[in-house]
Amino acid sequence: EPEVTQTPSHQVTQMGQEVILRCVPISNHLYFYWYRQILGQKVEFLVSFYNNEISEKSEIFDDQFSVERPDGSNFTLKIRSTKLEDSAMYFCASSSGGHLQETQYFGPGTRLLVL
Amino acid sequence: KQEVTQIPAALSVPEGENLVLNCSFTDSAIYNLQWFRQDPGKGLTSLLLIQSSQREQTSGRLNASLDKSSGRSTLYIAASQPGDSATYLCAVKDWAGANSKLTFGKGITLSVRP
Repeated sequence: EPEVTQTPSHQVTQMGQEVILRCVPISNHLYFYWYRQILGQKVEFLVSFYNNEISEKSEIFDDQFSVERPDGSNFTLKIRSTKLEDSAMYFCASSSGGHLQETQYFGPGTRLLVL
Repeated sequence: KQEVTQIPAALSVPEGENLVLNCSFTDSAIYNLQWFRQDPGKGLTSLLLIQSSQREQTSGRLNASLDKSSGRSTLYIAASQPGDSATYLCAVKDWAGANSKLTFGKGITLSVRP
């Protein structure tokens, strides 16, 4: 069964460093999302992406964050200058789109630790 | 702003028990509601999705109901097993479009004792 994959599974970085989290959505999906979950907290929406542009973003998704679909398969989240409070599990999700196909399928996550 | 609440935060039951997990949301103008399972340190597995026009959905031992007007959903698990131990999250999609964001509850951590 097709699934969303994410790399790396874990990343440790120093405060102020740039990180890029990578995702490969399900191949025929058109809508892509990033969510994050700080330890012990709710899963929070960051950004959605469709047709090579951001569809919606949350207050969390400030100028330090960017997303890109550099080729036909990868979807990346970049954090330019990481802060301690960026430590979280980051989930990528995708959906095929349309009224009956909007189930969002989530990847296994990347655990980011900022020291 | 949509808020999703799941109470209690944790639940422990003996194996074989039928149980109900509750989810409430503040804005009834939702597009759909999705129940997920999360194992420790893992991603989210979609269990059931209920459209706003539906009352319930079933998959195996799982049954999810939706009462949109009262802002409530329940996930019923029949004949619980130790393998059902996980955190169960509910998430709603607001009426902003079929592919808008999900708003999550904090989850209910279920432990099924053998």
